[in-house]
Amino acid sequence: QKEVEQNSGPLSVPEGAIASLNCTYSDRGSQSFFWYRQYSGKSPELIMSIYSNGDKEDGRFTAQLNKASQYVSLLIRDSQPSDSATYLCAVISGGYNKLIFGAGTRLAVHP
Amino acid sequence: DTGVSQNPRHKITKRGQNVTFRCDPISEHNRLYWYRQTLGQGPEFLTYFQNEAQLEKSRLLSDRFSAERPKGSFSTLEIQRTEQGDSAMYLCASSDSGTYYNEQFFGPGTRLTVL
Repeated sequence: QKEVEQNSGPLSVPEGAIASLNCTYSDRGSQSFFWYRQYSGKSPELIMSIYSNGDKEDGRFTAQLNKASQYVSLLIRDSQPSDSATYLCAVISGGYNKLIFGAGTRLAVHP
Repeated sequence: DTGVSQNPRHKITKRGQNVTFRCDPISEHNRLYWYRQTLGQGPEFLTYFQNEAQLEKSRLLSDRFSAERPKGSFSTLEIQRTEQGDSAMYLCASSDSGTYYNEQFFGPGTRLTVL
């Protein structure tokens, strides 16, 4: 079992719709959870971080964390073509500082 | 406020050659990380430093790989006797240990191609 799992996609949504990206993780000791956006050929860009159960909103982005079910999700409201990218879920577990990444979900927003 | 910088951005080398990459972290960040990413995968952790101390190394980091951060500022990653399987994007990230949540910010990466 992979430590962090994501659906590889592509997830295709129309412009203006809500995109929902999901991630599950295996280590119950995980403490910090992150979403990175990565455009083709570029490096990952941190867009959201979440540490407590519940929702965290930042502009058009909402991260949701459920530690009991070991999943993290990212909602993107009013999706734009410029949101088309790969979204990487990453986790920090236990006393370690390294990020453990999923393979990413490719999002395509079409006009 | 400048971000993480990496040099070179691209490196093409022949199998068996040695290569060295440099990373300059965000100035106030004392933690520095190296990751490697291949096509279609998320980044994989290689090693990290807090100040000048190398605190963790991945099993992925064979004895051909060595990383240094001599003065706790910039870091270098050297790959000796490169192999075609070393072709990847090498990413550097930095963070501030004074923050509880350890948000890591990535540089633009160095893309290595081994012929």
